[in-house]
Parts: sequence; C-alpha cells; structure tokens
Amino acid sequence: DAGITQSPRHKVTETGTPVTLRCHQTENHRYMYWYRQDPGHGLRLIHYSYGVKDTDKGEVSDGYSVSRSKTEDFLLTLESATSSQTSVYFCAIRPSSYEQYFGPGTRLTVT
Amino acid sequence: QKEVEQDPGPLSVPEGAIVSLNCTYSNSAFQYFMWYRQYSRKGPELLMYTYSSGNKEDGRFTAQVDKSSKYISLFIRDSQPSDSATYLCAMGGNQGGKLIFGQGTELSVKP
Repeated sequence: DAGITQSPRHKVTETGTPVTLRCHQTENHRYMYWYRQDPGHGLRLIHYSYGVKDTDKGEVSDGYSVSRSKTEDFLLTLESATSSQTSVYFCAIRPSSYEQYFGPGTRLTVT
Repeated sequence: QKEVEQDPGPLSVPEGAIVSLNCTYSNSAFQYFMWYRQYSRKGPELLMYTYSSGNKEDGRFTAQVDKSSKYISLFIRDSQPSDSATYLCAMGGNQGGKLIFGQGTELSVKP
C-alpha cells in the first residue's frame, strides 16, 4: 500500500460537464503524477507536480488542468468532459530516486 | 514510432514455464528502467527497478537491461497462475521523473 487514495473510484458524467478527480497521499512526497490508461496505449502522463503550486504538462495534457494547494492533494480537472476522455485515471507518487507508486485508479465514463 | 515498444500479447504459458517479456526503446537518454505488474482493475504495482545496464534478480524475477541494444527484459522462472496479469515496462531520464510506458503484455499462466 503506497498510501495513495483516489476519489471517486468510479464516475459517469455527461459530455460538457466539469469533472474533478482527487488524489490524496498520506506521506509528504514532493512529486505527484496523473496518468490515463487506455487499451493499446499503456499509461500516458497528463500532468505532474513537483511541489505545492508547481506543476508541468505531460504527454497528453490538452483538455486537462491540475492544482496542488496542499502537499498531500493533487487534483485533476476536466473543464468540459468529452467522450475521448473516457479512461482509467491513475495517480502516482515518487518517494525517492525514480520509482513511482500508483493509486487504485478512477474509472471515468463520459456519455 | 513510439519511444517504447512492447509486444501486447496475449501470452499464454503452462504453469512452471519460464516467461520472457521484452521492451525496446529509442531514446538513448533513458537511464532507469522498471517493470510493473497490473492485475485486472487494479493499479500498477512496481516489480523491479534497474538503473543503467545490467541484471537484477529478486526471487523468481530477473530484470535485464542492455543499453547498447536499447532492449530490456523481464524473466519469470517457475511461473505460477498468480503471475497472470499485465506487465508494463517503463523507463525515463532526468526530466522531472517522467516515465514512458510500454503498452503492456497480457500474461496468462495456465495450471
């Protein structure tokens, strides 16, 4: 157990609605990451954070924004959800060196 | 061309077999290499982490990195039905700890 929780675990939403996913860590690790996982694509980085209020884009950042106002929480927001954002979203932390540890995931369906 | 290529399988083997999983990559800046195991509807779990070239062994698992060929492998000895999962390779350089993942290989070990 990497001490990571994600909420909600499942969500169904309609196209055009805003959605926020939350990642919470119980330790005070500096680095946190958001990935999406789709068949045939493995895991792809959306955004990451290297400290409170410090974030940067990943490979597939279009349509997503993030915020980190506290060390323990990293939020991913879909401002206006589209069907192409139907996916499984994983949060990860990097305690030290380069290893990353993942949360249980959020399954998002946009109808 | 993707930065990291991984045969998606599926791969089916009998219990007790030796399993070889492989990834190739194109970016010579990659310095650290990981293997994750992911059970259905779960988050990826870190199995092995290797920095630079060489071998690393942990129980029934051996990770090999050949940077000259840009090729990494994971060997599983005496495979068990509990090893049935999707195996993802991941790698990165010194860029905020960002990882690039292969698309994953689905492994099934039959009793």
